[in-house]
Amino acid sequence: EVQLVESGGGLVQPGGSLRLSCAASGFTFNGYSMQWVRQAPGKGLEYVSAIDSTGSATYYANSVKDRFTVSRDNSKSTLFLQMGSLRTDDMAVYFCARVRGWSPASCAADCYLDYWGQGALVTVSS
Amino acid sequence: QTVVTQEPSLTVSPGETVTLTCASGTGAVTSAYYPNWFQQKPGQAPRALIYSTTKKHSWTPARFSGSLLGGKAALTLSGVQPEDEAEYYCLLYYGGADWVFGGGTKLTVL
Repeated sequence: EVQLVESGGGLVQPGGSLRLSCAASGFTFNGYSMQWVRQAPGKGLEYVSAIDSTGSATYYANSVKDRFTVSRDNSKSTLFLQMGSLRTDDMAVYFCARVRGWSPASCAADCYLDYWGQGALVTVSS
Repeated sequence: QTVVTQEPSLTVSPGETVTLTCASGTGAVTSAYYPNWFQQKPGQAPRALIYSTTKKHSWTPARFSGSLLGGKAALTLSGVQPEDEAEYYCLLYYGGADWVFGGGTKLTVL
């Protein structure tokens, strides 16, 4: 059974940092690209970041570029999101999701997100 | 930033058929955008329903189907059930690592 479990959420002051983790199981983690998606309270879904299966290619939404860093440890089947210079508008539930068919800069015959974690809440407040 | 537009809300009666749409601010949606559809219930993570415009996941109920309709991606629910009440999101791929979610449609089943 595919499982994605986020952790590391919590309360942080504006300007602070936080690192989220996403522990994967039930599939060969190093064979898949991954994404982070967030959802502000009462709002819709927003793509945050993507990383290829090897960790050598990383991508970010403009809203988090230069502040967030995505990485992965394939030996531990874990995805990370290092968040810095946090702002109140970064407050959200952060989901990790598995990506199928996408490799850096292109899609194969199919391109989609299939499995999602349950999310980690990040609260930014003084 | 590209805008992807969905109906903010729709109301349907049980047993009826409803179609949700997903429009791109850049023009007509085609299969090259690999439209994905997700269902999200309150307090839960999104659940994937449809990918690559029309394809279903193994867990997707048969009453859900995807298509292209009038230059938009579309999600049709045939014979709506009370448990289909949820928020529905589309996701379009614009190339590179450019993915954009629609704003979501809140589907109410009354």
